[in-house]
Amino acid sequence: AQSVSQHNHHVILSEAASLELGCNYSYGGTVNLFWYVQYPGQHLQLLLKYFSGDPLVKGIKGFEAEFIKSKFSFNLRKPSVQWSDTAEYFCAVNEGEGYSTLTFGKGTMLLVSP
Amino acid sequence: DGGITQSPKYLFRKEGQNVTLSCEQNLNHDAMYWYRQDPGQGLRLIYYSQIVNDFQKGDIAEGYSVSREKKESFPLTVTSAQKNPTAFYLCASSIGTANGYTFGSGTRLTVV
Repeated sequence: AQSVSQHNHHVILSEAASLELGCNYSYGGTVNLFWYVQYPGQHLQLLLKYFSGDPLVKGIKGFEAEFIKSKFSFNLRKPSVQWSDTAEYFCAVNEGEGYSTLTFGKGTMLLVSP
Repeated sequence: DGGITQSPKYLFRKEGQNVTLSCEQNLNHDAMYWYRQDPGQGLRLIYYSQIVNDFQKGDIAEGYSVSREKKESFPLTVTSAQKNPTAFYLCASSIGTANGYTFGSGTRLTVV
């Protein structure tokens, strides 16, 4: 079974700081990769996804992520965070061939102080 | 607008009672899912259904049951056999596997 590891459970940053959230997965075959965000009191929303092509993918709200196959990683980045980015972030993966459900990491809670 | 509706938003039950959580979607998605979210645990898959009248157990199916009689609906029953039922329950749907899931707003179940 595949697994997803998110390196940090909690991250605290000041506004305008750069963000990088780590995500590693265990599956050795073709994968689809996702980052979801859950703002306080809101439902999970898709930030960005990768399933093929350019390994650097851009999502909503200025987020981007880079798929590095050799490292089994899909780290999320943002050059300059805002207070409104305070949320919980989840990395998720499923197998790229055939039918497969999403496996989620345990999440990283990001707190951005103004 | 298309989306997923979960009801109720908050639910309280006494220990030993079964309770059913509703999930309805009007996205015309074939697949539907139930996840449980606990602090520090991420999302864990309870059950999923790829098509009507068919469903499979996820990683933590014990103490739960589902049905999929209609494409739009995928109710989850939390039975008295579930040892730690207090949690936040999320329903999702998808079309294909490369597009990710659309999530509902969740139901917070508290068993006292």
